[in-house]
Amino acid sequence: EVQLVQSGAEVKKPGESLKISCKGSGYSFTSYWIGWVRQMPGKGLEWMGIIYPGDSDTRYSPSFQGQVTISADKSISTAYLQWSSLKASDTAMYYCARNVRGRPSQFDYWGQGTLVTVSS
Amino acid sequence: SYVLTQPPSVSVAPGKTARITCGGNNIGSKSVHWYQQKPGQAPVLVIYYDSDRPSGIPERFSGSNSGNTATLTISRVEAGDEADYYCQVWDSSSDHGVFGGGTKLTVL
Repeated sequence: EVQLVQSGAEVKKPGESLKISCKGSGYSFTSYWIGWVRQMPGKGLEWMGIIYPGDSDTRYSPSFQGQVTISADKSISTAYLQWSSLKASDTAMYYCARNVRGRPSQFDYWGQGTLVTVSS
Repeated sequence: SYVLTQPPSVSVAPGKTARITCGGNNIGSKSVHWYQQKPGQAPVLVIYYDSDRPSGIPERFSGSNSGNTATLTISRVEAGDEADYYCQVWDSSSDHGVFGGGTKLTVL
């Protein structure tokens, strides 16, 4: 069974750093792109970026390029989303999702989401 | 950057047909995917590559894509279909994915 299990909720202060994780199981982790999606409170889905764990090839939405870093550790089947300096506007639910096999297109499996709250 | 436009809301009576549109410049040349998201839950893929259904998705869900508009059609709408629906494409010209703004489907 394909599963994506994300790390737990985080409460941070502005300016702090953060790295959240997404552990894949039940499939060949290195053979599927993994993406990250933001959902701000009461708002829609926003496509952030995607990584191919096999070779760490990464693509970002222009809206998120330079604002976050996506990485993966294939030895432990885990993808990451990190911030070096959080802002209050980073408060959101963040989902990881597996792309179907092949080139980036649609997401067929999703994690449960990680709620990030940034507040002074 | 490529923009996908969805109506904020669509309302339909039970048993009727709901149509949710997703507009984009020459979207017919792209593959469109649709997700359903219920409150407090992660999204679920309901249509991929314009009109294919993942296993487990009822046949009542269908999709089409032509010209500047893609459409998700839900036939014989049930109360359980009430959710937010998002279209999504891969923008190959800028090498990243894009979601539409989402449509809230209300079952009257």
